Amino acid sequence: EIVLTQSPGTLSLAPGERATLSCRASQSISSSYLAWYQQKPGQAPRLLIYGASSRATGIPDRFSGSGSGTDFTFTISRLEPEDFAVYYCQQYGRSPLTFGGGTKVEIK
Amino acid sequence: EVHLLESGGGLVQPGGSLRLSCAASGFAFRTYAMSWVRQAPGKGLEWVSGISGSADSTYYADSVKGRFTVSRDNSKNTLYLQMNSLRAEDAAVYYCAKDHIASRPYYFDYWGQGTLVTVSS
Repeated sequence: EIVLTQSPGTLSLAPGERATLSCRASQSISSSYLAWYQQKPGQAPRLLIYGASSRATGIPDRFSGSGSGTDFTFTISRLEPEDFAVYYCQQYGRSPLTFGGGTKVEIK
Repeated sequence: EVHLLESGGGLVQPGGSLRLSCAASGFAFRTYAMSWVRQAPGKGLEWVSGISGSADSTYYADSVKGRFTVSRDNSKNTLYLQMNSLRAEDAAVYYCAKDHIASRPYYFDYWGQGTLVTVSS
């Protein structure tokens, strides 16, 4: 199975700052089949990005994704108070589907 | 509006069984694959199982293969997960998730609020 490693584990930033999250795959992910989700405490995950760089419906343009092959990046250009949460990457290029371990973005 | 409502969670002893249900509304249920994703307390997300829109293909994580069975009733817009031989490590919140395509597990554009499964004696 494809193992996804997210880094850092925790990111401490202030509102207005830029957040850059990494997701590295143990094997190349075909066709950039990578998604990003946001999860807040007590809530279900929410889809933000699919196809490595396409924003899901209704997602603000401060959220963006890039990358291909084994290295992917998720960026929040300017953190809003509601963006502090845990972010997960997920690959869907090969079964079984797998998720990364998550990056927590916390208020500094 | 898409709505997914899970039910059937609860406390079960190790070795026991449980059946989860997910009632779907607000979209053409039969035209999308569906999946179950779980999250152990304080842990990350783990995809468990998926099923194609027509129910002719099913998919499982190795950790549940042979113990869990996914199914759907398109006439009732309902997804199921039959869980047998439950272990302590199966304890988690189980989410029902709508896939983006019909054929196989992909990425998930809508999620339910989850149902908690506790495995303990």
